[in-house]
Amino acid sequence: GNSVTQMEGPVTLSEEAFLTINCTYTATGYPSLFWYVQYPGEGLQLLLKATKADDKGSNKGFEATYRKETTSFHLEKGSVQVSDSAVYFCALSDRKGYSTLTFGKGTMLLVSP
Amino acid sequence: GAGVSQSPSNKVTEKGKDVELRCDPISGHTALYWYRQSLGQGLEFLIYFQGNSAPDKSGLPSDRFSAERTGGSVSTLTIQRTQQEDSAVYLCASSTGQTLSSGANVLTFGAGSRLTVL
Repeated sequence: GNSVTQMEGPVTLSEEAFLTINCTYTATGYPSLFWYVQYPGEGLQLLLKATKADDKGSNKGFEATYRKETTSFHLEKGSVQVSDSAVYFCALSDRKGYSTLTFGKGTMLLVSP
Repeated sequence: GAGVSQSPSNKVTEKGKDVELRCDPISGHTALYWYRQSLGQGLEFLIYFQGNSAPDKSGLPSDRFSAERTGGSVSTLTIQRTQQEDSAVYLCASSTGQTLSSGANVLTFGAGSRLTVL
């Protein structure tokens, strides 16, 4: 079956540091890949997505590249801000059928001033 | 509505009681999903509704869990005879249900209903 593995948190960084959150997946076929973010007290929001190999999703300074050869979709940001503190979820949807999302367990990011 | 609305936002109940959680999806979204978010467990798929098709109940953890979607809009998740392990945040999401040619089906989530079973 489908599965998503993320690095465990929390990830603690100082403001303006470089961020990487690793994500690897197992899926049949060619899934679409997503990063969702959950800010404290809020629901999950789509951060970015990529739907085929070598696609790069980007939003709010975050980027992730769909790497089919390594089955990875690592999230990166060059300079984090305190407001980026949240829980980040990597997810995939199987292109077959109705595309329910399979999520990783989430990685908490804490950014200090 | 403008977003996915869930109620109640918080529910505390005693073990053995039944609870109902409500989800009001975005107007016009034909697909509706329930997920459960437990501490340290990530998000667990529970059930999916798409239009008038039979729901996919493959993620429901036991027969104490059930869900309905009336009129293709509002959905209710019911947990009977609640147990302490049912304590979690229950998330509802909706989408247009259309998988784009690129393969992406984007879900919009509500803020969740936090259930605590004492």
